[in-house]
Amino acid sequence: GNSVTQMEGPVTLSEEAFLTINCTYTATGYPSLFWYVQYPGEGLQLLLKATKADDKGSNKGFEATYRKETTSFHLEKGSVQVSDSAVYFCALSDPNFGNEKLTFGTGTRLTIIP
Amino acid sequence: DTAVSQTPKYLVTQMGNDKSIKCEQNLGHDTMYWYKQDSKKFLKIMFSYNNKELIINETVPNRFSPKSPDKAHLNLHINSLELGDSAVYFCASSRQGIAGYTFGSGTRLTVV
Repeated sequence: GNSVTQMEGPVTLSEEAFLTINCTYTATGYPSLFWYVQYPGEGLQLLLKATKADDKGSNKGFEATYRKETTSFHLEKGSVQVSDSAVYFCALSDPNFGNEKLTFGTGTRLTIIP
Repeated sequence: DTAVSQTPKYLVTQMGNDKSIKCEQNLGHDTMYWYKQDSKKFLKIMFSYNNKELIINETVPNRFSPKSPDKAHLNLHINSLELGDSAVYFCASSRQGIAGYTFGSGTRLTVV
């Protein structure tokens, strides 16, 4: 079945540091890939997505590129801020369900210190 | 004008009780979902409804019963609550053919 593997957290960085959160996936067919962010006490918000190989999703300074050859969708940001502290989830959609069923990774907690 | 709204936000109840969580979306989406997030933040799909029809029913105890009176609402009823049911339950919705969900803010259920 489909699965998503994220790097273990928690991750703690200083403000303005470079961020990478690794995500790899296993899927049949051609899934879409997503990053969701969950701020404390809130629901998940879509951060960015990519629907086909070599697509780059970007939002709020975050980027991720859909790499079919390495089955990866790593999240990057050049200079993190304290307000980026949250839990980040990588996810993929299941083409067998019209790309509607999402499978999530275990989440990576990110803490940015001033 | 919240897009996906869940009620209640917090629910504390005793073992053995029956409770319901309500979800409504005003986005005109076709599909709605329930996810369970455990204490380690792991998210697992429970149910999915498309236009009031059940399309995904993962391995969930029979004590959990979703009900969709119309495509804008998906409620979750839980019978005979157990300690292990304590979690945050998220409702979400999506538009058919467009990947990606809009989530509600969650319902934190605590069974004591």
